[in-house]
Amino acid sequence: GENVEQHPSTLSVQEGDSAVIKCTYSDSASNYFPWYKQELGKRPQLIIDIRSNVGEKKDQRIAVTLNKTAKHFSLHITETQPEDSAVYFCAASLSNSGYALNFGKGTSLLVTP
Amino acid sequence: GAVVSQHPSRVICKSGTSVKIECRSLDFQATTMFWYRQFPKQSLMLMATSNEGSKATYEQGVEKDKFLINHASLTLSTLTVTSAHPEDSSFYICSASNRGHIRNTEAFFGQGTRLTVV
Repeated sequence: GENVEQHPSTLSVQEGDSAVIKCTYSDSASNYFPWYKQELGKRPQLIIDIRSNVGEKKDQRIAVTLNKTAKHFSLHITETQPEDSAVYFCAASLSNSGYALNFGKGTSLLVTP
Repeated sequence: GAVVSQHPSRVICKSGTSVKIECRSLDFQATTMFWYRQFPKQSLMLMATSNEGSKATYEQGVEKDKFLINHASLTLSTLTVTSAHPEDSSFYICSASNRGHIRNTEAFFGQGTRLTVV
């Protein structure tokens, strides 16, 4: 089955700096890669996603890049703010599984003022 | 968008009893729903795929007789934890996608259920 690795497990940045979280996946058939933000005790919230036919996608301060050949994708958050502090999960899925999500282990991001 | 509602949000039960968790898609029909489990400070692990009108598909290592899934309608899937033990204490969360929406891959999550078995 699909195996998703995520690094780093914790990340601390100063407000205004950028944060980068990286993930790799094992199943070359995976074709959908969402990123979720989860605050303590709450449900995951989708922040951005990318499909395998696209190399990069940006939404304001958040961007995701995908390298299909290397089977890795990254989340980039620019101009970080304290409210960005949360746990971020990457995931990989494929259409023939109905898009069941295989999650990375998560990155705890702390943005200090 | 799409709304997925999960109930209850918290439940405490005695060891050996069963607990039923409901997952509803409120404004769309979901032929497929997914159940995940999340232990403290860990990731979400896919437990099973719930298919409307047919048997659920369980991930390796998940006991189908312990975690009973029923998807009797297009808007409701239930997960029953049978003969619960303290090690079953966890955060259980469901998700569904709105296949009829242009963003048909986006998974919408329920609020989650915090199960504590004492």
